[in-house]
Amino acid sequence: NAGVMQNPRHLVRRRGQEARLRCSPMKGHSHVYWYRQLPEEGLKFMVYLQKENIIDESGMPKERFSAEFPKEGPSILRIQQVVRGDSAAYFCAARGGSTDTQYFGPGTRLTVL
Amino acid sequence: SQQGEEDPQALSIQEGENATMNCSYKTSINNLQWYRQNSGRGLVHLILIRSNEREKHSGRLRVTLDTSKKSSSLLITASRAADTASYFCATALGQAGTALIFGKGTTLSVSS
Repeated sequence: NAGVMQNPRHLVRRRGQEARLRCSPMKGHSHVYWYRQLPEEGLKFMVYLQKENIIDESGMPKERFSAEFPKEGPSILRIQQVVRGDSAAYFCAARGGSTDTQYFGPGTRLTVL
Repeated sequence: SQQGEEDPQALSIQEGENATMNCSYKTSINNLQWYRQNSGRGLVHLILIRSNEREKHSGRLRVTLDTSKKSSSLLITASRAADTASYFCATALGQAGTALIFGKGTTLSVSS
C-alpha cells in the first residue's frame, strides 16, 4: 500500500463540526475508493470516484456525506455535522486503469466527541 | 448479510505451523482478493485470484478458489510471529474496477 497517502491520520471532532479527510493516490492511479471500517468489522464501501467524476456512490449515506476528486489535488471525503456514530476508520484505496488491484492508504481514524 | 464471510473468526497457532482461513460468498464474482491488516493499520494487498483461476501462489501464501462452492481459502505455510494480523477476503462482483465487498475477517495470532 505504499504510495497512497491519507491525512490526517487521526482526527478528533465534536458533534456538529465538519470533518475533511484527504486521500492522495500515487501517480497514474486515477481511480479512488473510500471505505469505512467500524470497530471489529470489515470495510464497507462508500464511494468510487475517477478524476472529477463520481462513478458509484451507492454506499454513501444520503445526508451529510460528500466526496470529490478534483482534476488537481487530493480526493476529499467530507462529513458535515458529525455525530458519534461517524466515529470509525476511513480508508482510501487507489487503482490504476489497467489493474483490478486496489491499494489502500493507512486510513484516517475519526473520533467524534 | 455479508457477501464474504471468513471462517474461523479467530485462529491461534504456533510458529512454524500452517494457517488456513476460508472465505465464502453468495453471488458470482469477477475476482476475489485477500488483504492483511495489522492492528490499527491500513490494509496490505496479498493476492488476487480471478473467477477463471483455481489456485495461485505467492511466497508462503497459497490461495484457492472454488466457484462451484463459492468459496476460497488462504493458506499461510510455516507461519511466523510477524504473520499475526487480521485477514480479509474481498470480492469484486461485476466488471473490473467495481467496489470490493469485504468480510469481517479472521484474526490470526501466531505465538513464538
